[in-house]
Amino acid sequence: KNEVEQSPQNLTAQEGEFITINCSYSVGISALHWLQQHPGGGIVSLFMLSSGKKKHGRLIATINIQEKHSSLHITASHPRDSAVYICAVRSETSGSRLTFGEGTQLTVNP
Amino acid sequence: ETGVTQTPRHLVMGMTNKKSLKCEQHLGHNAMYWYKQSAKKPLELMFVYNFKEQTENNSVPSRFSPECPNSSHLFLHLHTLQPEDSALYLCASSQGGPETQYFGPGTRLLVL
Repeated sequence: KNEVEQSPQNLTAQEGEFITINCSYSVGISALHWLQQHPGGGIVSLFMLSSGKKKHGRLIATINIQEKHSSLHITASHPRDSAVYICAVRSETSGSRLTFGEGTQLTVNP
Repeated sequence: ETGVTQTPRHLVMGMTNKKSLKCEQHLGHNAMYWYKQSAKKPLELMFVYNFKEQTENNSVPSRFSPECPNSSHLFLHLHTLQPEDSALYLCASSQGGPETQYFGPGTRLLVL
């Protein structure tokens, strides 16, 4: 069992829909990251969270430390949001090392 | 602009070849990382350098040899690779510790 589990693995939505991607982890963490990977490979860091909630444009990330769970929400989804979304955690003892989930492939159709 | 560049973007090599991947960061960061991303698998950390010193080697085979001549440049020297080493190799940098990592575009490697 991976230390970081994401669901769903694949998600297809229609433009405008509200999207939720989930991440569960099994270790104590100092931070959780949400990353976006577009076709071709480039990875962009979206959020780094250690508690609560962060918002950037149409993206919202939440984390519940007690439940070891985080969600990434996309409001008013758009085809350009199509990408792989990756959850990664930094454990309390790992220094700079990140452990990654397998990613969620999101496709938003027009 | 990502601030982290990688060359080449694509590489095809035979199992007897020797090649090198290059990463350069223009962000003034102190830490640099090599990751491997194989199809359908999570990103795997390979190496971490802090202030030019290797601080992590995640049990990587010796056919992968990293080099960090200064805080801005990171190389991955490849020799006698296997077809299963075909993957996307990503470089990242950060200020170190818990800071956000910034990724390069990756080098897509195919070993024949």
